[in-house]
Parts: sequence; C-alpha cells; structure tokens
Amino acid sequence: DTAVSQTPKYLVTQMGNDKSIKCEQNLGHDTMYWYKQDSKKFLKIMFSYNNKELIINETVPNRFSPKSPDKAHLNLHINSLELGDSAVYFCASSQETGWNSPLHFGNGTRLTVT
Amino acid sequence: AQTVTQSQPEMSVQEAETVTLSCTYDTSENNYYLFWYKQPPSRQMILVIRQEAYKQQNATENRFSVNFQKAAKSFSLKISDSQLGDTAMYFCAFMKDYGGSQGNLIFGKGTKLSVKP
Repeated sequence: DTAVSQTPKYLVTQMGNDKSIKCEQNLGHDTMYWYKQDSKKFLKIMFSYNNKELIINETVPNRFSPKSPDKAHLNLHINSLELGDSAVYFCASSQETGWNSPLHFGNGTRLTVT
Repeated sequence: AQTVTQSQPEMSVQEAETVTLSCTYDTSENNYYLFWYKQPPSRQMILVIRQEAYKQQNATENRFSVNFQKAAKSFSLKISDSQLGDTAMYFCAFMKDYGGSQGNLIFGKGTKLSVKP
C-alpha cells in the first residue's frame, strides 16, 4: 500500500536516448511534483501539476516534459538525455498546494546517463 | 531571491545524545514557512518539522525541536536522545507565503547526520 510509487528505481541509459519515469500516488492528492536531486544532494523543484494544470515550471530544459494522464499519475519524460541529467528524481504529492499540506515523497529514481 | 544555507555538510553524534543542525536563510519576506526534511539512506524524503514565521513559539515534534530566530534568520534543528534511525541527510527548506504551492520549496544543500552506537 505504497503511497507514492516511482518506477523504475534505477535507470541506466546512454546519451541521446529518450526515457520516462512513472509516478503514481494512491492518496487521492490533488497536486503532484517532480524534484531533481543532483550528485551534491541539492534538491530543486522541477514541475508540479494540480488538476492536470501545470502550475510550476522551473527553468528546466524543454527536453523534460511532465505528463499527467490523470490526477493519480505524473510521469516525467526526458528526450535526448545528456550526462548532466544524471541525478535522483523524486516524485511527490500533496492534498493541497498550501504549506500545511505536507509533501509525500516517492523513494526516488536514480538516473545514470553514460 | 531566497537562499537557504546549511553550513555543516556532515555531523556525527553518539546514540542518546543531543545534536543541533544549523540553518540560516536570506529573505526580504515577512511571512514565510520553514521546514526540516529527513532523507534516510533509503532516499525517502520525510517531513520532520515545520514552523510558521509569524509564530514566535518554537515548533516541537517529539524528540525534534527547532530554535527559530527570525531577526537572525536562523532555524536550527535539535534532535534529543538521538537514535540510530536518525542517521540521514537533513534538509532545511524555505517557502514564501504568497498563498501558493508548497512545491515552491527552496532547499539547503543538506547536512549528513551519522548516529553512532
């Protein structure tokens, strides 16, 4: 009964490939997010979706595209992978967008681009 | 722009002792929220404690408490009676209050805490 689940847990791929990371939450939350954690452990928000609407889009390359087929899913698609994309990507969800609605994180997907 | 600084990349503490993790931030905002998140080796991110800037009383959650000094822009985390399960990376985070998303968290670079038996 995992609350926020990401697949795959590990992803190793070559430069130039296109890959997707899936995220699903069974909490009935309205908002989902993607965070990137680089090799130095620094976390940064990438995207969030609320009722299928993108409400945050930090300055990430347009090679990254979030896709939300429904409220319970927010997938991350990455085109033309680059070495610098290697990182841990975390999916998260929250009931509301307010501060007192805690984030629930997935366990992360470690992406390695070779 | 807001920034969050954690000046201690790594710390260690003996089991059952108390440890304090430092966090400072820079903002011109008056209303905001501060958080401590824990990331154990499993890589799951867990909210430890949170503080509203307009509250003078320091937040506490069981063995975890904060020392919030708004004028000094300091938000340290104290862990009492440290347990082996407290071993993790700890992130301090800031969120501006503009009626918006908690997704607009700004994280520090983290402090790796090791609890030794």
